[in-house]
Amino acid sequence: SQQGEEDPQALSIQEGENATMNCSYKTSINNLQWYRQNSGRGLVHLILIRSNEREKHSGRLRVTLDTSKKSSSLLITASRAADTASYFCATLTSQVVSARQLTFGSGTQLTVLP
Amino acid sequence: NAGVTQTPKFQVLKTGQSMTLQCAQDMNHEYMSWYRQDPGMGLRLIHYSVGAGITDQGEVPNGYNVSRSTTEDFPLRLLSAAPSQTSVYFCASSYRDKLNTEAFFGQGTRLTVV
Repeated sequence: SQQGEEDPQALSIQEGENATMNCSYKTSINNLQWYRQNSGRGLVHLILIRSNEREKHSGRLRVTLDTSKKSSSLLITASRAADTASYFCATLTSQVVSARQLTFGSGTQLTVLP
Repeated sequence: NAGVTQTPKFQVLKTGQSMTLQCAQDMNHEYMSWYRQDPGMGLRLIHYSVGAGITDQGEVPNGYNVSRSTTEDFPLRLLSAAPSQTSVYFCASSYRDKLNTEAFFGQGTRLTVV
């Protein structure tokens, strides 16, 4: 079963607006990561937040993590048409290397209209 | 740097045929994994490996075999293809002993089983 679920499934905004995507997960985690996937391409890592962190920034990206609610959000500020892509959250569970797995949610399709 | 290279990019198989999806990485990553991506399902883990000679099953391993004879290569074998295996397959790699590290993905193999 999937660990993470993104919300909304699809989001359409105008260029310049902010985009917020949410992710909920089920079990305790070591870290939570966000990836972007452009149409027909592989996934590209955006940002990683550790379980003991609450907020992290990278350029126009802001990620928050609430371990008590088992949820995370990704905020993209001042969106651009080039931000159009699918965004996935992924959780890393288990300290044991042999059992470590990166589990993905179903993704949010973001469309930024020019 | 090449990163993670998957071949082929596209493949059509007939039901019952076998084939091997190739994955190679040049980053000396110990951890490698295979995912399949289906519409609305996100990425699901098929098999993973924490080093040469060591493999384990993920969430959806049935119908797939893997082996890891070298650090660089992690092929995925379909022994008898079924239409349910029509999907996009992604290979990923990362450092095994670094907990808070990103995964690098290949560009994917789009497989159709008719």
